[in-house]
Amino acid sequence: GAGVSQSPSNKVTEKGKDVELRCDPISGHTALYWYRQSLGQGLEFLIYFQGNSAPDKSGLPSDRFSAERTGGSVSTLTIQRTQQEDSAVYLCASSRRLAGRTDTQYFGPGTRLTVL
Amino acid sequence: GNSVTQMEGPVTLSEEAFLTINCTYTATGYPSLFWYVQYPGEGLQLLLKATKADDKGSNKGFEATYRKETTSFHLEKGSVQVSDSAVYFCALSGGNAGGTSYGKLTFGQGTILTVHP
Repeated sequence: GAGVSQSPSNKVTEKGKDVELRCDPISGHTALYWYRQSLGQGLEFLIYFQGNSAPDKSGLPSDRFSAERTGGSVSTLTIQRTQQEDSAVYLCASSRRLAGRTDTQYFGPGTRLTVL
Repeated sequence: GNSVTQMEGPVTLSEEAFLTINCTYTATGYPSLFWYVQYPGEGLQLLLKATKADDKGSNKGFEATYRKETTSFHLEKGSVQVSDSAVYFCALSGGNAGGTSYGKLTFGQGTILTVHP
């Protein structure tokens, strides 16, 4: 079956512009996670969705970052007024159950964001 | 909070050599432990996992045993191949993450493995 998909695969933007990153989880997966992978910080958790609600936004680095999920499916991560330190690969993952600690998370290929 | 410390790389081995990548963790309660692998140009994928103490996860010749007494989950393979060249991440979920985010993964820094013919 189809895996997690993300778009765009690459995004180059100018400092100060807004960007939207999209994630399509595996059909039927209830939990959705966003992570960020950067050279300096490794892999960091950003936000978690349970259905359409986000009970844990603790990893969002600033109020320029926001995310939503609609219909229990597609999620969009928005970064406003991008800064150079936002350059990273943004990864989305989904898993079948609600916040199951034993569940396998399936990762998308990521969106590589470069802020000039 | 939760944390994962894994062996710094890069690790360079010859084909058929024995591999160990060390991973230790800090968490209270009963976390689940994972090894994820990222092959060149590809996304993160699960290699193996263990969800309770003394469990052994295995896949593609790789093994790791959940050792609660030493808080470790070291990755091993008896004979590596060139195709095993990748970045390996140790991760945990649960433990003292608390609340409803038991599934949130905390990752180690990653270990780059290069295997030469």
